[in-house]
Amino acid sequence: DTAVSQTPKYLVTQMGNDKSIKCEQNLGHDTMYWYKQDSKKFLKIMFSYNNKELIINETVPNRFSPKSPDKAHLNLHINSLELGDSAVYFCASSPRTGSSPLHFGNGTRLTVT
Amino acid sequence: SQKIEQNSEALNIQEGKTATLTCNYTNYSPAYLQWYRQDPGRGPVFLLLIRENEKEKRKERLKVTFDTTLKQSLFHITASQPADSATYLCALDPEYGNKLVFGAGTILRVKS
Repeated sequence: DTAVSQTPKYLVTQMGNDKSIKCEQNLGHDTMYWYKQDSKKFLKIMFSYNNKELIINETVPNRFSPKSPDKAHLNLHINSLELGDSAVYFCASSPRTGSSPLHFGNGTRLTVT
Repeated sequence: SQKIEQNSEALNIQEGKTATLTCNYTNYSPAYLQWYRQDPGRGPVFLLLIRENEKEKRKERLKVTFDTTLKQSLFHITASQPADSATYLCALDPEYGNKLVFGAGTILRVKS
């Protein structure tokens, strides 16, 4: 039983395209996140939703738009992809905000050519 | 500026020895600190959380210490095994809102 699942695992696309990454969690958690891991392996938070409400929105270009249709799903849509968007994107969830540990998916490796 | 620093070089140790990984932070006053393990091609997996009023936390062969004066956390794996080989990440939440900030991680290699 996969707790946090992301699709697709790999995404190769050309500059200028629009793409989406989907995430689902079956843990019953209230809070979901998108993190980006760059080539230097730093994990940086992008967005966080709590019960479908956006609560964290880091300095991320407007081309990135998260959507949470319900508290078990958090999707990430990226418009006009650029070379610098190439990275691994991780979805995560936690029972609540505060000190709760995060449960991560296995990532989506995005390569923009 | 705010920074979290972990050993950038890989730590190579012999099976059975104790591995000690360091996490230093600057210009943060976190209420707690977390440690995660990440295997290649996988997402990080939570290991331990230690709060500012706790000096030490243990879980099986794992031990974490937290020194808020030194602004440092140490992560120990005793009786290390090749299966412990992975990247270990420390993370802290500067605003107590689960906006975790991660270090770049330390690669641990345990040789048999």
